[in-house]
Amino acid sequence: QVQLQESGPGLVKPSETLSLTCNVSGGSISSYYWSWIRQPPGKGLEWIGYIYNSGSTNYSPSLKSRVTISVDTSKNQFSLKLSSVTAADTAVYYCARALGGRLGELPYYWGQGTLVTVSS
Amino acid sequence: EIVLTQSPGTLSLSPGERATLSCRASQSVSSTYLAWYQQKPGQAPRLLIYGASSRATGIPDRFSGSGSGTDFTLTISRLEPDDFAVYYCHQYRSSPWTFGQGTKVEIK
Repeated sequence: QVQLQESGPGLVKPSETLSLTCNVSGGSISSYYWSWIRQPPGKGLEWIGYIYNSGSTNYSPSLKSRVTISVDTSKNQFSLKLSSVTAADTAVYYCARALGGRLGELPYYWGQGTLVTVSS
Repeated sequence: EIVLTQSPGTLSLSPGERATLSCRASQSVSSTYLAWYQQKPGQAPRLLIYGASSRATGIPDRFSGSGSGTDFTLTISRLEPDDFAVYYCHQYRSSPWTFGQGTKVEIK
C-alpha cells in the first residue's frame, strides 16, 4: 500500500527557504511522477511542480525561479525547497504520486498535507 | 496557461438530487488529460474521474464525467450525504498543470 507523508517546519520566516520532505512507503521512488501541490487556506489547489526518472523536473513558471524538487533514492523520499518565501506562500503543501499506466502522470496517491505558515 | 473555470461556485442541493458541475477551459484540452477530484475538509483530494469520463478505482457509478474540447461536466446522479464536498477539475496536458477554482456542493 503506497503511503506518502510530508514533514518539515510548520513556520518559516519571510525571505527564508521553505523545505519539506515527502517520505514514501509501499513503493520505489525510482519510478513514476512525484508532484508537489499546495493550497492556501480556504482557497483552491495550485500545482508547484514534479520530478520523474529520479531527476527530470518541471516547475510552474510562476514559481520556477524559487523552486527546487529533488529525490533521495537512498531514503525513498523526495523534497521541495522554495526560497525567498512571503506570506503568499502560506499554504497546505501536499506531495503526490502518479499511478502510472493509463493515468500517466496524474496525481493519484496523496499525502495528508502539511500546513506551512510564513510569518516573522 | 490553460485556465479552468468551474461553475457554479456553490451548488445547494438535497440528498437524492442530481448535481451537475461544469468546467470550462480557456483552450482545448485533450480529454485524456482532464480529471476531477473530490476534497473534503481537512483531507487531501481524491481522484474521481480521469480521461474526462473514466471512474477511478472504487468510485461509485453515481459519479460520471463527460465532455470534450473546452467543456467538461461532472455529474452525480443521486447525491448521498458523503458526496457533499468541494470538486475540482484538473488538466495535466499542458504545463503548467492547472486546477479549476472548485465547486462546493453543500446540503440545502
